[in-house]
Amino acid sequence: DQQVKQNSPSLSVQEGRISILNCDYTNSMFDYFLWYKKYPAEGPTFLISISSIKDKNEDGRFTVFLNKSAKHLSLHIVPSQPGDSAVYFCAASSSGTYKYIFGTGTRLKVLA
Amino acid sequence: SQTIHQWPATLVQPVGSPLSLECTVEGTSNPNLYWYRQAAGRGLQLLFYSVGIGQISSEVPQNLSASRPQDRQFILSSKKLLLSDSGFYLCAWSPTGGLRGYTFGSGTRLTVV
Repeated sequence: DQQVKQNSPSLSVQEGRISILNCDYTNSMFDYFLWYKKYPAEGPTFLISISSIKDKNEDGRFTVFLNKSAKHLSLHIVPSQPGDSAVYFCAASSSGTYKYIFGTGTRLKVLA
Repeated sequence: SQTIHQWPATLVQPVGSPLSLECTVEGTSNPNLYWYRQAAGRGLQLLFYSVGIGQISSEVPQNLSASRPQDRQFILSSKKLLLSDSGFYLCAWSPTGGLRGYTFGSGTRLTVV
């Protein structure tokens, strides 16, 4: 039972354009969400987070949008750069638990 | 500052052999500790987590076990490895009392042959 889903396994975008990575969840108790970036043979690194009390959070080129009614969040990267090429994971947790549930990841390739 | 160490970076083990992967955290006390596995097409799967010494929660039934003998040490073990145990194993920590994201270690690539 996959509670956090990233239905696009891969995405290719031209340098300078916007990258949009999507994530859906099924558990309505989730109230905190994260995005991580992972390069091959390395541990994931934290990118950006959002609480369920917000619908948008921005950090430089990265913006995360949360649509609670649709149980959907998205990560926007603009402008995309070749160094953004990596696997991106979304993750969700609910208050009172000690763990995050991760999606299956989306491999982003930014073409120069 | 806090750092997390995970070793070895790569490991090739025969089927039926034992396993011990170690993770330690520095610069913090009473962290929450986690073991994840990244297998092909499966994303990051939570295997175990621990909120204190000797406290282990298992997320999925499997051939692995975890132990936390000290506050900042988390060990992943197996008595007899299976081919299906191959994968990329990640240790992570988060501050106690709240979840604001993990810091991951650099991972261990385990290949069971």
